[in-house]
Amino acid sequence: RKEVEQDPGPFNVPEGATVAFNCTYSNSASQSFFWYRQDCRKEPKLLMSVYSSGNEDGRFTAQLNRASQYISLLIRDSKLSDSATYLCVVNRGSGGSNYKLTFGKGTLLTVNP
Amino acid sequence: DVKVTQSSRYLVKRTGEKVFLECVQDMDHENMFWYRQDPGLGLRLIYFSYDVKMKEKGDIPEGYSVSREKKERFSLILESASTNQTSMYLCASTRGLAGLNNEQFFGPGTRLTVL
Repeated sequence: RKEVEQDPGPFNVPEGATVAFNCTYSNSASQSFFWYRQDCRKEPKLLMSVYSSGNEDGRFTAQLNRASQYISLLIRDSKLSDSATYLCVVNRGSGGSNYKLTFGKGTLLTVNP
Repeated sequence: DVKVTQSSRYLVKRTGEKVFLECVQDMDHENMFWYRQDPGLGLRLIYFSYDVKMKEKGDIPEGYSVSREKKERFSLILESASTNQTSMYLCASTRGLAGLNNEQFFGPGTRLTVL
């Protein structure tokens, strides 16, 4: 299994749709999980951290399943401004590896009017 | 607001040239990183530094070196640029350990073309 694997996409959805992204990771020692967003020709920016209990930020909901090593991101009521590449990001474990993150290749989302 | 700046947005160099990419952060972060991003490959870690004068290899350090003489500045050096080093280079910084849900803040990137 690849270290961090995401849906390849691209996803094209109409405004108002609900869209879900999935991600799996291979390192069972990973402790921290994130979703980053990268707009075209821009740098990645943190969208949200993902906690074991699941967490929500407005229209965005992130879930973590440690047993299955699976992370998800749900976007409700999609807006045109949600169009971006979504990166699943996982830290590499404890000790010195805590400094290092592994980035998925990203899933491109286009929200259409 | 955290700000990470990179010395150039676009850079064109010739094969064999020595190339310096500079990164500066203004939030007193301990950790700084250099990544490259290529289509289909995602972000890959080249080097990182967790303190002044401290550095550690990432996943693809070959052909690169780094320098961190001051806490706010982290330089990536291509000793002898090659065409396969044409890429987008992204610098990032974070406070504390990435494993403690600390956000990595990225610079705007330098698109390097080696001819």
